[in-house]
Amino acid sequence: LAKTTQPISMDSYEGQEVNITCSHNNIATNDYITWYQQFPSQGPRFIIQGYKTKVTNEVASLFIPADRKSSTLSLPRVSLSDTAVYYCLGTAGNKLTFGGGTRVLVKP
Amino acid sequence: GAGVSQSPSNKVTEKGKDVELRCDPISGHTALYWYRQSLGQGLEFLIYFQGNSAPDKSGLPSDRFSAERTGGSVSTLTIQRTQQEDSAVYLCASSSAGVNIQYFGAGTRLSVL
Repeated sequence: LAKTTQPISMDSYEGQEVNITCSHNNIATNDYITWYQQFPSQGPRFIIQGYKTKVTNEVASLFIPADRKSSTLSLPRVSLSDTAVYYCLGTAGNKLTFGGGTRVLVKP
Repeated sequence: GAGVSQSPSNKVTEKGKDVELRCDPISGHTALYWYRQSLGQGLEFLIYFQGNSAPDKSGLPSDRFSAERTGGSVSTLTIQRTQQEDSAVYLCASSSAGVNIQYFGAGTRLSVL
C-alpha cells in the first residue's frame, strides 16, 4: 500500500472551499486513491475514490494528476458539520493503512 | 439496520480480564475487518476475513488477540488477559466481494483499568 502524507490540520470558514492535498510518491499501479471522513466517536466514512483525473460526487471532488503522486480532495462550501478528520489512503487489495489524517476545523 | 453494528459501544474492564467484542457486518458483505484506533491516532489493521478463506491475522499485536467469524457473518474479537495498553476504540468494517470500499461501524471503546 502507498505511504501517504497529508497536512496535520487545516482551518476554514463556513462557505469556503477546502482543498486537502495528499502526497503518495510510491503509489503502485493497482492502487486506487480513497478518502475517508471521521467524526469524533464514529467510524470512518467513505467519501470518494479515484484512479486518475477527476472524480466528483455529491460530497466532494477528487483531483489526481497524471503522475498520480498526489491527489487533492476538494470540499465545496463547507459547513460547521464538515469539521472532521480526513484520511487519504492508497487502497489496493484489502488492508487499509490509515495515517494520522488531516484535522479540518470549520469556523463560523 | 443497514449498517455495520458493533457491541458493546463501551466496555470497561479490569486488567487481566478477558473481553469479547462483537461485529455484525452489512448483510451480504463477504469481507470483514477489525481495526484498532488509539486516542488521536490513525487506524491499525488487526485481522481480515474473506468468505471461507483463512483469515489474514498479520495485524494482531499478540497471541492474546484472536477473532472468529461464524457462518460467514457475525465476528467476535477476543482479547485475553487485557492490559492497559489494549485501551482503544476497536472498529469493525465490512465490504462486498471485489469492492475495496469498507463500511465501518461506530466502534467499541475499550477501557482497561
